[in-house]
Amino acid sequence: DTEVTQTPKHLVMGMTNKKSLKCEQHMGHRAMYWYKQKAKKPPELMFVYSYEKLSINESVPSRFSPECPNSSLLNLHLHALQPEDSALYLCASSQVGEGGANTEAFFGQGTRLTVV
Amino acid sequence: AQSVTQLDSQVPVFEEAPVELRCNYSSSVSVYLFWYVQYPNQGLQLLLKYLSGSTLVESINGFEAEFNKSQTSFHLRKPSVHISDTAEYFCAVSKGTNAGKSTFGDGTTLTVKP
Repeated sequence: DTEVTQTPKHLVMGMTNKKSLKCEQHMGHRAMYWYKQKAKKPPELMFVYSYEKLSINESVPSRFSPECPNSSLLNLHLHALQPEDSALYLCASSQVGEGGANTEAFFGQGTRLTVV
Repeated sequence: AQSVTQLDSQVPVFEEAPVELRCNYSSSVSVYLFWYVQYPNQGLQLLLKYLSGSTLVESINGFEAEFNKSQTSFHLRKPSVHISDTAEYFCAVSKGTNAGKSTFGDGTTLTVKP
């Protein structure tokens, strides 16, 4: 199984809603990532979890709250989002090698989020 | 800090023609290079990667890329494209072999016409 599964595939939410994006992998990877991708733009790294601990937060607003409940799951909790947060949210995972090295990141299909 | 420049934002070609997607990078340290493909409404798939060794790397679907350290380039080529190769292609660079924390170029839209 070399899949990273993201749910839901599409999400429409109001600016006052609270919702969560979910990501799951069963490859035994101990590093997981959230990326944000706007249309016609490259992915931008948001968060990195290594061994279930948050290791990188790329100055993401607090209305995005990541959570890694176990080594297979990664959530992104959303609250009070703005229309400009509409984007494709990608989850990825990778092995963690010596010195933090990993040579391939596996991406999910993404959640297309629309904030209205 | 490292950066990636994809020199062409859009590349239209006819089916069975050769194609080259250009990628240049800058970094003050040794880097590792990746090409990803993204089909419409899908996630990213790793196409190929250069970590060390032979400077020419190949993918299973006919793409190849050559690492040129002196020109700081990692151009992607395919001798004969198919309609199904129509997609967005991203070049990415990482410091150390950390593919999950790569810096991406702005992407090149490859459109293959019949």
